[in-house]
Amino acid sequence: KAGVTQTPRYLIKTRGQQVTLSCSPISGHRSVSWYQQTPGQGLQFLFEYFSETQRNKGNFPGRFSGRQFSNSRSEMNVSTLELGDSALYLCASSLLPRQRLYGYTFGSGTRLTVV
Amino acid sequence: DAKTTQPNSMESNEEEPVHLPCNHSTISGTDYIHWYRQLPSQGPEYVIHGLTSNVNNRMASLAIAEDRKSSTLILHRATLRDAAVYYCILKWRAQKLVFGQGTRLTINP
Repeated sequence: KAGVTQTPRYLIKTRGQQVTLSCSPISGHRSVSWYQQTPGQGLQFLFEYFSETQRNKGNFPGRFSGRQFSNSRSEMNVSTLELGDSALYLCASSLLPRQRLYGYTFGSGTRLTVV
Repeated sequence: DAKTTQPNSMESNEEEPVHLPCNHSTISGTDYIHWYRQLPSQGPEYVIHGLTSNVNNRMASLAIAEDRKSSTLILHRATLRDAAVYYCILKWRAQKLVFGQGTRLTINP
């Protein structure tokens, strides 16, 4: 069965621009979480969506937003890009939100570089 | 969120067992201990989880101390493909996954 698909794999943007990243979860998974990974801060939780509703949010500014569609696909958007937004953005899907027993399946990520 | 402490890096030889330690002295009774690993250029991958008893699966074993304040991930015969960053995470069902800095495992041929 297909894994978690993130597009695009690589992206280069200029400061001040905005970007949209896409995540398609495993078929049947209804919860999608987003993480930012940087060398300095490690993996940090951004937000989690289930049934098109944001269920949990990390400590990121309002420039970071997301949404989930009725088919469980999710997008995250970053507006007014800053150099510090350069990171690997990872999406994880799970059967249900706050899944305890089944774990999360991660995609390979989108590498965003802001210049 | 409860904290975990892991060594920054460890090194082992191929085909030898590897014991990756994790300290979690502030663990609560409802926290599950999860292990994930991240191979180069990939997203994290679920390895194993447990609550109180030791656990085994096809990838690894998880040994949990009786007081639950520490745990050890055991790779029985390391291969080069096991070289990764290993994360020990405490999670109760209502919480998000919170990753620490993890242990970078190097496997020597």
